[in-house]
Amino acid sequence: AQSVTQLGSHVSVSEGALVLLRCNYSSSVPPYLFWYVQYPNQGLQLLLKYTSAATLVKGINGFEAEFKKSETSFHLTKPSAHMSDAAEYFCAVSEKTGGYNKLIFGAGTRLAVHP
Amino acid sequence: GAGVSQTPSNKVTEKGKYVELRCDPISGHTALYWYRQSLGQGPEFLIYFQGTGAADDSGLPNDRFFAVRPEGSVSTLKIQRTERGDSAVYLCASSLKGDTDTQYFGPGTRLTVL
Repeated sequence: AQSVTQLGSHVSVSEGALVLLRCNYSSSVPPYLFWYVQYPNQGLQLLLKYTSAATLVKGINGFEAEFKKSETSFHLTKPSAHMSDAAEYFCAVSEKTGGYNKLIFGAGTRLAVHP
Repeated sequence: GAGVSQTPSNKVTEKGKYVELRCDPISGHTALYWYRQSLGQGPEFLIYFQGTGAADDSGLPNDRFFAVRPEGSVSTLKIQRTERGDSAVYLCASSLKGDTDTQYFGPGTRLTVL
């Protein structure tokens, strides 16, 4: 069965610094991978997804992630943090069975951005 | 256009009571998912609908939980004899079809069982 591990439940960076949120997955088949962001009192919003095309995936708000099969990783990065990036971030793998997308989420990483 | 909406946004109930949580998906989306997010955790899959039928209900924790989507649009998650452990945020998502289509999430219903 698929699973997702997000290293670091809390990450704090300075405004303008590099953001790196780690995600490792376990999957017995080629995975589909996703990053979602959740702002307070809002629903999950898709940042980006990997569906077996290019291994470097660019998303919204300047985020990108690289699929590394050898490391079973899909880390999320952003070159320069902005105060508005403060939110909770979830990595997910798709347990794709029967033609639909059952998402298996990690526990989340809360990103704090300080001046 | 309008996104996924969920009502109520908050629900407080007493242990043993029955509750219904409603999800209005994006118009035209045939796939609908329910997830549950407990405090400090990521969402966990509950059930998937394709059209009117529940194609996968393997995530429902027990037979107190039931969901319907009678006309292939609005869905209702029903919980009988609520327990304190049912307290969580219940999220609904819809997508155009299944497969790799992006799931669009609603804001969730926060259920508190006293």
